[in-house]
Amino acid sequence: DGGITQSPKYLFRKEGQNVTLSCEQNLNHDAMYWYRQDPGQGLRLIYYSQIVNDFQKGDIAEGYSVSREKKESFPLTVTSAQKNPTAFYLCASSMGGHTDTQYFGPGTRLTVL
Amino acid sequence: AQSVSQHNHHVILSEAASLELGCNYSYGGTVNLFWYVQYPGQHLQLLLKYFSGDPLVKGIKGFEAEFIKSKFSFNLRKPSVQWSDTAEYFCAVNVYSGAGSYQLTFGKGTKLSVIP
Repeated sequence: DGGITQSPKYLFRKEGQNVTLSCEQNLNHDAMYWYRQDPGQGLRLIYYSQIVNDFQKGDIAEGYSVSREKKESFPLTVTSAQKNPTAFYLCASSMGGHTDTQYFGPGTRLTVL
Repeated sequence: AQSVSQHNHHVILSEAASLELGCNYSYGGTVNLFWYVQYPGQHLQLLLKYFSGDPLVKGIKGFEAEFIKSKFSFNLRKPSVQWSDTAEYFCAVNVYSGAGSYQLTFGKGTKLSVIP
């Protein structure tokens, strides 16, 4: 079954703790993306990676970090520096060209208590 | 920076009514345009996309969108909605962001509620 998996579906953390969200794809896509979705705000790009061992900041990268050590994996760490981390996080992947469709995972809802 | 505006936050329609959701973008260069849909509890998925050619694009489930370059618009339409079309709809624009990269910018979304 091909696609993008994100785990866990729901995640709870205490304020001040770093947390890492998992994203795995078996579509053999070169590019991967992380978005944050807040009610009434649409999707905002956090980080993206066009190729292994390379990534760029999106519009709202502050307080987040990523790594891309393997083609199929693009974990996102929400650090304690992120002022408002409670949100729905979506991972996506694509072949990487400007005409290519991005395919999305099911998302992780992070709640910081 | 480019931006995408969706005019309606929440649209409520009865079944069989016609639908038009507005989308405008602010970028003067070549754009690639998308409509995504998020059904309750499901993944965000592609509805349709425009890259070039015929400005009237047909997508899944009877949806279509028209690219009007002079108006910087890419409105989504469906002649007759069904209860199963209840979802949130996002317009997105893919533009060149430098160093060989493209960035997808989303609108804030429009929630569509269809009443049986």
